[in-house]
Amino acid sequence: QLQLQESGPGLVKPSETLSLTCSLSGGSFSSSNYFWGWIRQPPGKGLEWIGTVYYSGNTLYNPSLKSRVTISVDTSKSQFSLKVFSVTAADTAMYYCARGIAATGGRVFDTWGQGTTVTVSS
Amino acid sequence: IVLTQSPGTLSLSPGERATLSCRASQSIGSTLLAWYQQQPGQAPRLLIYDASSRAPGIPDRFSGSGSSTDFTLTISRLEPEDFAVYYCQQYGSSPWTFGQGTKVEI
Repeated sequence: QLQLQESGPGLVKPSETLSLTCSLSGGSFSSSNYFWGWIRQPPGKGLEWIGTVYYSGNTLYNPSLKSRVTISVDTSKSQFSLKVFSVTAADTAMYYCARGIAATGGRVFDTWGQGTTVTVSS
Repeated sequence: IVLTQSPGTLSLSPGERATLSCRASQSIGSTLLAWYQQQPGQAPRLLIYDASSRAPGIPDRFSGSGSSTDFTLTISRLEPEDFAVYYCQQYGSSPWTFGQGTKVEI
């Protein structure tokens, strides 16, 4: 059974770079049937799609974050990563990695990691 | 595209029927809408995609309907584990966006 696990620092200083990694277990990372995404949820608020990386390495980002975000894959390690540059307090959130299902072009997420809390504070 | 969910909170009892609404600010292309359930302290769980297709393992008491701008999630008979927050998500137009959520409480 596929499991996703986020990892990375829980505290990031303002203006620095937030870096998270999502590790897969129990499933195939390189299958053309799946896509891999990041979604975040500020405390007490709703969900925001950050971006998606396709098995080919192509990416699609939320325009509201596009200039500050990079998502990449490391197929040899069955991992994909998120970087958010020049963070502010508004980037404080629970960050989830998730699998997007091919039937929806990777736009709907059927398997999620447990999430990791990131706080931006000096 | 902005998704507006209503009501914000739905107070019901186990065994009752729940009807949740999700309205899009513009057409999202037929049925490109999903529903998720989120329990406190947990990640969201996919319930419905393509407006009415249940995800694997989702009980048939959950059903979705609608198209274009108006969508509904119905829970036919609430079980204790169904009390949670529900989010809709559109994927007809990038960026994919979520509604603000409906809390179903006892």
